[in-house]
Amino acid sequence: EIVLTQSPATLSLSPGERATLSCRASQSVSSYLAWYQQKPGQAPRLLIYDASNRATGIPARFSGSGSGTDFTLSISSLEPEDFAVYYCQQRNNWPRTFGQGTKLEIK
Amino acid sequence: EVQLVESGGGLVQPGGSLRLSCAASGFTFSSYNLHWVRQAPGKGLEYVSTIVGNGLTTYYADSVKGRFTTSRDNSKNTLYLQMGSLRAEDLAVYYCARVGPSGWYDYWGQGTLVTVSS
Repeated sequence: EIVLTQSPATLSLSPGERATLSCRASQSVSSYLAWYQQKPGQAPRLLIYDASNRATGIPARFSGSGSGTDFTLSISSLEPEDFAVYYCQQRNNWPRTFGQGTKLEIK
Repeated sequence: EVQLVESGGGLVQPGGSLRLSCAASGFTFSSYNLHWVRQAPGKGLEYVSTIVGNGLTTYYADSVKGRFTTSRDNSKNTLYLQMGSLRAEDLAVYYCARVGPSGWYDYWGQGTLVTVSS
């Protein structure tokens, strides 16, 4: 099973700042990596798929990069609604696995 | 509008059984693979099970294999998760999720909470 390790566990930033979240895979997942956002009491929402493609309706301030084992989710200028937990997921190998999450909190 | 609505969660004793449902609308149900994903309180997301569009193939995480059964009724646009031999570690919110054209979960239900306790 592929293990996804996200860092940092918690990221404290202010609105307007740039956020950079990392996801590292225990073995190559090619570009089969996605990012989801989850707010308290809500289901996750797909942000980025196949490492760098924005899902429908996702603002351009969200971007993804990487391939193989190292991936990054960037949020160019944080809006108040962006403070949430972010998960990466791979589907290159069965079973699909998730990272443990990065909590993006307001500083 | 695509909607997935789970139901059936509740309190069950260890060793007991429960059946979750996920009612779908707004899309051609039989054309999509569906997954169950769970989330223990305050924890991360965990893949549980897959069922393909025609219902003929299913897959399960090792943690639930032999205890859980996923099925679907394409005439009723409904997905099911039959859970048996429940353990304390099965306590979680259970989500159904659609695998979209991209291959990823493009729609999720709101989740239903399963509590396993005596």
